[in-house]
Amino acid sequence: KAGVTQTPRYLIKTRGQQVTLSCSPISGHRSVSWYQQTPGQGLQFLFEYFSETQRNKGNFPGRFSGRQFSNSRSEMNVSTLELGDSALYLCASSASSGRGLIDEQFFGPGTRLTVL
Amino acid sequence: QKEVEQNSGPLSVPEGAIASLNCTYSDRGSQSFFWYRQYSGKSPELIMSIYSNGDKEDGRFTAQLNKASQYVSLLIRDSQPSDSATYLCAGARSYAGGTSYGKLTFGQGTILTVHP
Repeated sequence: KAGVTQTPRYLIKTRGQQVTLSCSPISGHRSVSWYQQTPGQGLQFLFEYFSETQRNKGNFPGRFSGRQFSNSRSEMNVSTLELGDSALYLCASSASSGRGLIDEQFFGPGTRLTVL
Repeated sequence: QKEVEQNSGPLSVPEGAIASLNCTYSDRGSQSFFWYRQYSGKSPELIMSIYSNGDKEDGRFTAQLNKASQYVSLLIRDSQPSDSATYLCAGARSYAGGTSYGKLTFGQGTILTVHP
């Protein structure tokens, strides 16, 4: 079974621009979670989508948004980029039964975003 | 106090030894725990999940969970140089309440070096 894929792998943008990152989950997985990883803050949860609905959101400004399509592929968008948005952005897919205990999450390779 | 704390390391062990990685958590609502391994420049890779008190073994890896003490650990037996990486501990609440969908809370990670 193919793993989680993310595109692009690397991005360089300037302050004020916007960026869209894409994630394709493992086949059959309907939940996609997004995380930001920086050396200072570690891995932080951005949001989670399931069946095209955002079910949970972390503590990030509204410049960070996302969506999910009917085939479970997900995109996240960051508008008005700031220097501090430079990070590795990871998506993780999960089978997510939505009941009981949280399911295992499997990460994609990430998108390395550099904001100049 | 961080929700998930790991022994800061770095941890250095000789090849063939047992590496012990520890993690404590403050949220008593956390029910599921995960250990990830992250090589430099790569994304996190799931090693183990543990949901119940006690030990769970998978090959050279043993995860231990003690919910009363709010403590999770990972033992790596017969450590190999290829085990050198950052190990991330993550916790999650159950789906009850709805606010936990897709969210893993990570510790800062422990850098492990296995020297020949």
